[in-house]
Amino acid sequence: DTEVTQTPKHLVMGMTNKKSLKCEQHMGHRAMYWYKQKAKKPPELMFVYSYEKLSINESVPSRFSPECPNSSLLNLHLHALQPEDSALYLCASSQDGGTGANVLTFGAGSRLTVL
Amino acid sequence: GENVEQHPSTLSVQEGDSAVIKCTYSDSASNYFPWYKQELGKGPQLIIDIRSNVGEKKDQRIAVTLNKTAKHFSLHITETQPEDSAVYFCAASYEGQNFVFGPGTRLSVLP
Repeated sequence: DTEVTQTPKHLVMGMTNKKSLKCEQHMGHRAMYWYKQKAKKPPELMFVYSYEKLSINESVPSRFSPECPNSSLLNLHLHALQPEDSALYLCASSQDGGTGANVLTFGAGSRLTVL
Repeated sequence: GENVEQHPSTLSVQEGDSAVIKCTYSDSASNYFPWYKQELGKGPQLIIDIRSNVGEKKDQRIAVTLNKTAKHFSLHITETQPEDSAVYFCAASYEGQNFVFGPGTRLSVLP
């Protein structure tokens, strides 16, 4: 299995809702990432988990809360989002979050719309 | 920190022609350079990558060249096909950490 699976593919939520994005990989990768991608822009790094520990938080607002329950799963909990948070949220994984060249494998993304 | 520029932002070619996309990076410590293809409604997919100890790498119709001295690398697609139409992103990183992406190139292959 060489895939990163993200659910849901599409999500519409109001500013007062609480929702979660989920990501799963079964490649034995030990690093998992959340990226945010706005239209016609490159992916922007939000969080990195390495060996199930949060290693990078790129100054993301607290209304985004990541969680890594185990080495195969990554969640992004959403609460009190703003319309400008509407974007494609990409999950990625790589073999090793430590030193060494990593190859990022991306999921198809979750398209989020905040009303 | 690292900064990656990418040109052109849009590129249209006739089917069968070649396409070249160029990226420049600022941090001489960067040593891993992947290229991603993103089709509409999908996540980026790695198509080819190169490490700093190699000057060129080829995979069928796709090749990447790296000039460490000038700090630029290029993607070459030969015999383009309509299915090559997509957005292409270059990226630079040190040891596969902290990837910095270029702004992207929208490639259109016209039949």
